Amino acid sequence: GIQVEQSPPDLILQEGANSTLRCNFSDSVNNLQWFHQNPWGQLINLFYIPSGTKQNGRLSATTVATERYSLLYISSSQTTDSGVYFCAVERGGGADGLTFGKGTHLIIQP
Amino acid sequence: GAVVSQHPSWVICKSGTSVKIECRSLDFQATTMFWYRQFPKQSLMLMATSNEGSKATYEQGVEKDKFLINHASLTLSTLTVTSAHPEDSSFYICSAGPRDRTYEQYFGPGTRLTVT
Repeated sequence: GIQVEQSPPDLILQEGANSTLRCNFSDSVNNLQWFHQNPWGQLINLFYIPSGTKQNGRLSATTVATERYSLLYISSSQTTDSGVYFCAVERGGGADGLTFGKGTHLIIQP
Repeated sequence: GAVVSQHPSWVICKSGTSVKIECRSLDFQATTMFWYRQFPKQSLMLMATSNEGSKATYEQGVEKDKFLINHASLTLSTLTVTSAHPEDSSFYICSAGPRDRTYEQYFGPGTRLTVT
């Protein structure tokens, strides 16, 4: 099956700093999503981005499908950004389910 | 965005009993829903695909007789953990996506199962 690797596994930053999270995947995909898992376990949809670039406030993401990687950028970090960020992909057309990376555990210190 | 709910949020049961978890799409219809399991400090692992009107398909290593899935309507899928044991204690999460849009998946809030 498809492999998804996220880096770094852990990241500790001061409030106000910028960060870049990376997701590499081993095969072509029709779906790539970034999620933030909050302390209660809820997965919050950040981006649906199988290709191209998107921005939403302080967050932006870029996927270069031909090179099989995606980047999530967080600018001007806030303590509420802390948590686990997951990248997940799907090869098929919505019928295969998502394959998740192991996540990046982000801690923003005040 | 689309909304997916789960019930219950958490459940504690005794070893050997069965537990049913519901997953509902609140504002869209879903012919396919997915069930995932997440152990503490680990990632999500796909368990099975729930198909409305047909049998579920299970990932390799997931016991279909232990994790019964029923997708009785276009807005409801249920996961029943039969004869639960302590090793089944986990966080169970479902997802679904509106088929008239992209392939984007939306996740329920999860159900934390503890088997004593």
